[in-house]
This record gives sequence, structure tokens and C-alpha cells, in this order.
Amino acid sequence: DVKVTQSSRYLVKRTGEKVFLECVQDMDHENMFWYRQDPGLGLRLIYFSYDVKMKEKGDIPEGYSVSREKKERFSLILESASTNQTSMYLCASSFPGAAGATEAFFGQGTRLTVV
Amino acid sequence: AQSVTQLGSHVSVSEGALVLLRCNYSSSVPPYLFWYVQYPNQGLQLLLKYTTGATLVKGINGFEAEFKKSETSFHLTKPSAHMSDAAEYFCAVSDTGNQFYFGTGTSLTVIP
Repeated sequence: DVKVTQSSRYLVKRTGEKVFLECVQDMDHENMFWYRQDPGLGLRLIYFSYDVKMKEKGDIPEGYSVSREKKERFSLILESASTNQTSMYLCASSFPGAAGATEAFFGQGTRLTVV
Repeated sequence: AQSVTQLGSHVSVSEGALVLLRCNYSSSVPPYLFWYVQYPNQGLQLLLKYTTGATLVKGINGFEAEFKKSETSFHLTKPSAHMSDAAEYFCAVSDTGNQFYFGTGTSLTVIP
């Protein structure tokens, strides 16, 4: 079974802190994604990565950065956490589309609260 | 550009009744279509997907969906709702398989 593992299920951080959310997948997927999920807004793409050291901005990249130093690991960084970044964060991975239609596999999510 | 519209943010059905969750998409190319389910405080789990071939797709837990190109729809159905079906459901579309676009979700309540 494909496994996407997020390092924390729940996090509470203070305003202004630098926050790291870690995601690891064990299926050698090229693609990895970070989404945030808010009620009524569905899933919004923050950043995605096609390969090691590659990153592309999604729909809402402001206030976030990412790092992909190894194929299996994709980190989301909140440079200076703010209360409006309180949300559920979901990591996902997939094979490239050229390899055949494939779904995105999701981690369990990290519920981040910024106080 | 790809987009997904899920009609009805909240749907309530009685236990044993038909479940119908609506999804319409826009895509400039033949799409890949997906339905995911999310239980409280968990990630998304794939219910079913359409890639090519048969337009009626069967998934897990008795769910199925039909791809209708002329209507740009991919509605999710289940003949008889069970209490355990109560969850959030997301429809998603992908053009290349490299990016996924999600609807805003439909919360399903099952009334005993």
C-alpha cells in the first residue's frame, strides 16, 4: 500500500514562529503536493513539486515556501506563522501523468492552529 | 483550465435511501475524474476514478459514478445509504495527471 506520512496530526504554534510541516511518501512518486483545506473552500493548492529540487507555486503560495531535497520528502514551511494560516494541511503524492492516469494519494493531514 | 463544481455543500439522506452527489467539471481536454471521501480529521481516500474506457465506474463501499461527456458530469451514487457513509466527499479533475483540481466538497449526513 502507498503510504504518505505527515509528521504531525496536530500542531499549535505561536504567531511569528517558523513552522515546518513534513511529508514523506514511500512509493517513489515524482509528484508531491501541499494543499490547505478550509470549510467551504475545499482543497487549495499551495505548492507542488515534479522532482527533487523542483517546485511550482500553486494557487495560494503567499506566506509559504517548500523544500524537496530528497524524492520521498516534501516540506512545507511557514516563514512567519499568522493566525490566518490556521487550517488543515494535506500532503499528497502521485506518479506523473505521462505514466498513466493515476490518483493522488493523501496523508492523514496536519491540523495547525496558530495562536 | 480545469475546474470542478459540486452542487450542494450539504446533502442529507435517510438510511437505506439513494445517495446522489453531483459533480460537474470543465476541462479543455479529455479529463481524468476522481471521487474522494474524507472522514473527520483524516486525509482523503480514493473512492473511484475514471480514466478511459467504460463510463460507469464502480468504486469501494458500493459507490459508483458515471462519466457523461455531453453533460460534463461525474455524479456519484449509491443505491442504499449506510450510517457509515456519513463523511465529506470531494470530486476532482485532472487533465494530465500532474495536477488535481478539487471541488469545494459535499458533506453527507445519513439520518437513521
